[in-house]
Amino acid sequence: GENVEQHPSTLSVQEGDSAVIKCTYSDSASNYFPWYKQELGKRPQLIIDIRSNVGEKKDQRIAVTLNKTAKHFSLHITETQPEDSAVYFCAASSQGAQKLVFGQGTRLTINP
Amino acid sequence: DAGITQSPRHKVTETGTPVTLRCHQTENHRYMYWYRQDPGHGLRLIHYSYGVKDTDKGEVSDGYSVSRSKTEDFLLTLESATSSQTSVYFCAIRPGQGLVNEQFFGPGTRLTVL
Repeated sequence: GENVEQHPSTLSVQEGDSAVIKCTYSDSASNYFPWYKQELGKRPQLIIDIRSNVGEKKDQRIAVTLNKTAKHFSLHITETQPEDSAVYFCAASSQGAQKLVFGQGTRLTINP
Repeated sequence: DAGITQSPRHKVTETGTPVTLRCHQTENHRYMYWYRQDPGHGLRLIHYSYGVKDTDKGEVSDGYSVSRSKTEDFLLTLESATSSQTSVYFCAIRPGQGLVNEQFFGPGTRLTVL
């Protein structure tokens, strides 16, 4: 079955700098890759996703890139702000699959 | 918040007691999921449902059972709770019939087994 690895487990950046979180997946049939943000004590919230027919997707300060050949995808946050501090999870799913497989999470801290 | 509620939101119980957690949705989504979240393990799937009375196991199903007798409710039962089942439990729904597995989460239940 699918296996998703996420790195780094913790990341600390200065406010205004960029942050990058990377995930690799094992199932070449995977075609859907969402990212979730979870603030302390809250539920995971879907913030952006990408499908395998595109290589990059942007939404304001966040972007996700996908490299199908290498089977990895990344979350990029530019001009980081204190409210970006949270745990971020990547996930993968193949077409027709009923399950999402999640990475282990990255705790992002934005230092003022 | 996708019309998902979970109850109770917090529970403390003792080893060996049965516990049932409820997930309720208001929008007649076909797919519902139960996850547990533990430090260092991310979100792990316990069980999921693809319709009334249709359920299947996830990666960490041992010690848990589920039932779905109505579209809107998905129940997770710990028949005899153990300390290893202390965790935060999230329910999720998957809207629509599309090809992608887009899921939205409920607010979570924090369960402590003493």
